[in-house]
Amino acid sequence: QKEVEQDPGPLSVPEGAIVSLNCTYSNSAFQYFMWYRQYSRKGPELLMYTYSSGNKEDGRFTAQVDKSSKYISLFIRDSQPSDSATYLCAMSVANSGGSNYKLTFGKGTLLTVNP
Amino acid sequence: SAVISQKPSRDICQRGTSLTIQCQVDSQVTMMFWYRQQPGQSLTLIATANQGSEATYESGFVIDKFPISRPNLTFSTLTVSNMSPEDSSIYLCSVAVQETQYFGPGTRLLVL
Repeated sequence: QKEVEQDPGPLSVPEGAIVSLNCTYSNSAFQYFMWYRQYSRKGPELLMYTYSSGNKEDGRFTAQVDKSSKYISLFIRDSQPSDSATYLCAMSVANSGGSNYKLTFGKGTLLTVNP
Repeated sequence: SAVISQKPSRDICQRGTSLTIQCQVDSQVTMMFWYRQQPGQSLTLIATANQGSEATYESGFVIDKFPISRPNLTFSTLTVSNMSPEDSSIYLCSVAVQETQYFGPGTRLLVL
């Protein structure tokens, strides 16, 4: 079983739809959870970052973490064509000595928002 | 956050040659990382580069193949040595800021 599982899609939605992107993980030591957005031919861009269970909202984006189920989600409200990109979940353990920065990534979900 | 640039942005190389990729950050950072992103795959960490010490390589990656330099707190290089077509990939550098990482734009490498 891979440490982080993410449905690669592709996912295609109409403009204005609510998008739900999900990752599951097996390592209960993961404490920090991130979502990155990667446009074609660009580097990953940090979108959301959280370290606690529950919801974190930033504009049209909501990150949700359920540590008991080892499940994280990213919701995009009122999706726009400019949201079309690959979304990567990433997570890391809380550890001393600097190794807490090691990120484990999902494979990414390709999202297309159609006008 | 941090602003990161990489050079070259892309290259096409012949097998058996080597390519050095540069990563420049706009602020001083302790930890820098090098990743590989192959088509349809997630990002895979190659090594962690701290200034003033040897890079730490992940399982499956060795210094002879991917030598790394970290001469100061704003710069690092990754060399892909003795390249083969299997090295064709996107190579990304990142920097640690608090508990997360910020990425450069990547270097797209094609080995013929």
